[in-house]
Amino acid sequence: DARVTQTPRHKVTEMGQEVTMRCQPILGHNTVFWYRQTMMQGLELLAYFRNRAPLDDSGMPKDRFSAEMPDATLATLKIQPSEPRDSAVYFCASGETGLATDTQYFGPGTRLTVL
Amino acid sequence: AQSVAQPEDQVNVAEGNPLTVKCTYSVSGNPYLFWYVQYPNRGLQFLLKYITGDNLVKGSYGFEAEFNKSQTSFHLKKPSALVSDSALYFCAVRFLGENDRGSTLGRLYFGRGTQLTVWP
Repeated sequence: DARVTQTPRHKVTEMGQEVTMRCQPILGHNTVFWYRQTMMQGLELLAYFRNRAPLDDSGMPKDRFSAEMPDATLATLKIQPSEPRDSAVYFCASGETGLATDTQYFGPGTRLTVL
Repeated sequence: AQSVAQPEDQVNVAEGNPLTVKCTYSVSGNPYLFWYVQYPNRGLQFLLKYITGDNLVKGSYGFEAEFNKSQTSFHLKKPSALVSDSALYFCAVRFLGENDRGSTLGRLYFGRGTQLTVWP
């Protein structure tokens, strides 16, 4: 049963520290999305990649957030420096184009708490 | 602009009764609509989608959704609710941007979610 995996599942850190979240998309999926879930804003798209190239990162605060795909099996989301307002659950989702399929499959999320 | 509204933050229903979770949308072009469910401390799970064709779409766990173009709605329904259906439900609309040409996979705009509680 193929699944999107995310690490760590939970992260508690202090303000100003660097945070790196990792995502392994489902093997063969060529599109990866990063979403953030908060009580105030709900689910919002931060960035997404297709074939490892960034397509849209307009949802990310550019000064502190960065997203990359070093290879097809790994996507990373980094926050430096972290702030309390970054506390949220960060979800990665993946999907596959080219087969008329349009479903995104979500990972379990990383719950980030910035003190 | 694309948007989705879920007018109810919470829906409560007794087990065995039918349930409806409401969703309305606003899109430019043809709507591609989705329902996802989120259980506590879990990621979102795909339930069903409407792309084209029959207005009544059947999905996982006995759920179905009815697409109504004139009312711009995509309500989620189930004839007989189970306690295990209690979860957070999200409606979403897909948007294909300039960067998505040639693809059927685009970004999703989500509603705020509706917490469904099924009482035994």
